[in-house]
Amino acid sequence: EPEVTQTPSHQVTQMGQEVILRCVPISNHLYFYWYRQILGQKVEFLVSFYNNEISEKSEIFDDQFSVERPDGSNFTLKIRSTKLEDSAMYFCASSGAGRNTGELFFGEGSRLTVL
Amino acid sequence: DQQVKQNSPSLSVQEGRISILNCDYTNSMFDYFLWYKKYPAEGPTFLISISSIKDKNEDGRFTVFLNKSAKHLSLHIVPSQPGDSAVYFCAARESGGGADGLTFGKGTHLIIQP
Repeated sequence: EPEVTQTPSHQVTQMGQEVILRCVPISNHLYFYWYRQILGQKVEFLVSFYNNEISEKSEIFDDQFSVERPDGSNFTLKIRSTKLEDSAMYFCASSGAGRNTGELFFGEGSRLTVL
Repeated sequence: DQQVKQNSPSLSVQEGRISILNCDYTNSMFDYFLWYKKYPAEGPTFLISISSIKDKNEDGRFTVFLNKSAKHLSLHIVPSQPGDSAVYFCAARESGGGADGLTFGKGTHLIIQP
């Protein structure tokens, strides 16, 4: 069964460093998303991406964050100058359908720990 | 501002009985609702969804009910099995020109007791 894969599964970084989280969405999907879950809190929407551009982003997704689809298979989240409060589980998701139909398929997540 | 609320952080149910997980929402622009299940150290897994034009959707042991007037939905699992022990997230999506992303509730930790 096709699945969304994410790397790394866990990354530890020093405050102020840049981090890139990688995702390989399901191959025929067109919509890509990043979510995060801070420990003990709810899953929060960060950004959605369609047709090689951001289609929606939340208040959390400020200038510190960027997304890119550098080739036909990868979808990356870059966090510049990480802060302690960026420590969270970051989930990539993809869907084949449009915004109002179809479910999102999530990867297993990348745990980011900022020291 | 919690647009999707799951007021029970945890729920304990005996194996074989019915599990009922509840979810309330405040945003009247939501018109598509989903339930996700999450095990520790894994990503959320889609369970079942319902469009606002329906009031019930059933898939095997899982049934979702939607009461639009009350802005309430519930997930029924019957019979409950040990493998159902997980955190269940209610999620909602806006219609038309609204946000792409899903808005999640905080989750309910379902514990199935043998």
